[in-house]
Amino acid sequence: GNSVTQMEGPVTLSEEAFLTINCTYTATGYPSLFWYVQYPGEGLQLLLKATKADDKGSNKGFEATYRKETTSFHLEKGSVQVSDSAVYFCALSALKAAGNKLTFGGGTRVLVKP
Amino acid sequence: DAGVIQSPRHEVTEMGQEVTLRCKPISGHDYLFWYRQTMMRGLELLIYFNNNVPIDDSGMPEDRFSAKMPNASFSTLKIQPSEPRDSAVYFCASSFRRSRGGGIDTQYFGPGTRLTVL
Repeated sequence: GNSVTQMEGPVTLSEEAFLTINCTYTATGYPSLFWYVQYPGEGLQLLLKATKADDKGSNKGFEATYRKETTSFHLEKGSVQVSDSAVYFCALSALKAAGNKLTFGGGTRVLVKP
Repeated sequence: DAGVIQSPRHEVTEMGQEVTLRCKPISGHDYLFWYRQTMMRGLELLIYFNNNVPIDDSGMPEDRFSAKMPNASFSTLKIQPSEPRDSAVYFCASSFRRSRGGGIDTQYFGPGTRLTVL
């Protein structure tokens, strides 16, 4: 079956530090990959996505590249802000095989200190 | 668009009571998902609908849980009777598939309902 593994948190870092959250996946076929972010007290919202190998998704200074050879989709940001404190979820959707379902990783809590 | 709307935002009830959570998806979306989030188990998919029809309810924990989608703009998740272990944040999300066999679109989440069962 499909699965997503992401690094456990919490990740604590200082403002302007470099952030990396690792995500690897197992899936049949060619899934689409997503990063969702959940700010305190809110629902999940899409941060970025990539639909095929070597695609790079980017948004709000965050980037992730779809690496088929390593089955990875690591999230990076060069200089984090306090407002980036949130829980980040990596997810995949396997086209056709499972309808429109997303398979989520366990989430990584990020805390950015001033 | 107002986004996915959920009500109530907070619900506190006593064990044994019936609880009904409500969701209005984004207009035009043909998929609707119910999730549950807890510290222990993370984010779990309970059930999802396509064109108002339940497609996969394998995540529904037990018979106490039921979900309906009587029309394209409304869905309910009911717990009867409720138990303390049902305490969680319940999210509704919606999306659409662009075309038959085509790529999926983003799932849009509602703000969630925080349920506390005493």
